Amino acid sequence: GAGVSQSPSNKVTEKGKDVELRCDPISGHTALYWYRQSLGQGLEFLIYFQGNSAPDKSGLPSDRFSAERTGGSVSTLTIQRTQQEDSAVYLCASSFPMVKRNTEAFFGQGTRLTVV
Amino acid sequence: AQSVTQLDSQVPVFEEAPVELRCNYSSSVSVYLFWYVQYPNQGLQLLLKYLSGSTLVESINGFEAEFNKSQTSFHLRKPSVHISDTAEYFCAVVNAGGTSYGKLTFGQGTILTVHP
Repeated sequence: GAGVSQSPSNKVTEKGKDVELRCDPISGHTALYWYRQSLGQGLEFLIYFQGNSAPDKSGLPSDRFSAERTGGSVSTLTIQRTQQEDSAVYLCASSFPMVKRNTEAFFGQGTRLTVV
Repeated sequence: AQSVTQLDSQVPVFEEAPVELRCNYSSSVSVYLFWYVQYPNQGLQLLLKYLSGSTLVESINGFEAEFNKSQTSFHLRKPSVHISDTAEYFCAVVNAGGTSYGKLTFGQGTILTVHP
């Protein structure tokens, strides 16, 4: 596609339920990232996939959070047993590897998650 | 590890006035620096970046930023702002020795509001 696509754009869920957020990266981008944007916390890195390498999960806030990337393309971020503090905008981005110096990370519009 | 500090959370200015949004960073390794912009109800867009070479970098819409290694700063400036520049601006860094542009460390953001 023309850009990074995220779905749904908005999600309201009850506390304790599981949610799945989807990201379709730009075609050909081997790197994919998830960020969380919340009031008071700014933009936080969550997880990073690069090709077939093991993902960098260093930013995941708890074991309730997980992500997978199937076939090197689409990624799903799963939050289990959601809590109210999980309410935030979840942003996905993709890019070519850094060796392609004249490139950048492109961000999707985000999924606004509200836990009630 | 890196950290980014944006010294002003909000900057109100009048149209056609100059503006400076301040950004300082801390890092034990060499970094690349970025400014991203988020217009209301939109995703993050890259405004400009410094990788190497000339320390003064410019965007297509009149913004510029200067990398100052001794002061570890990357302040964003525009000599004359427009109403359409109203947005939130994020300064970010990435490890220059890393493998991807996407594992960014962001500042808390500065909301620029341009008044008529």
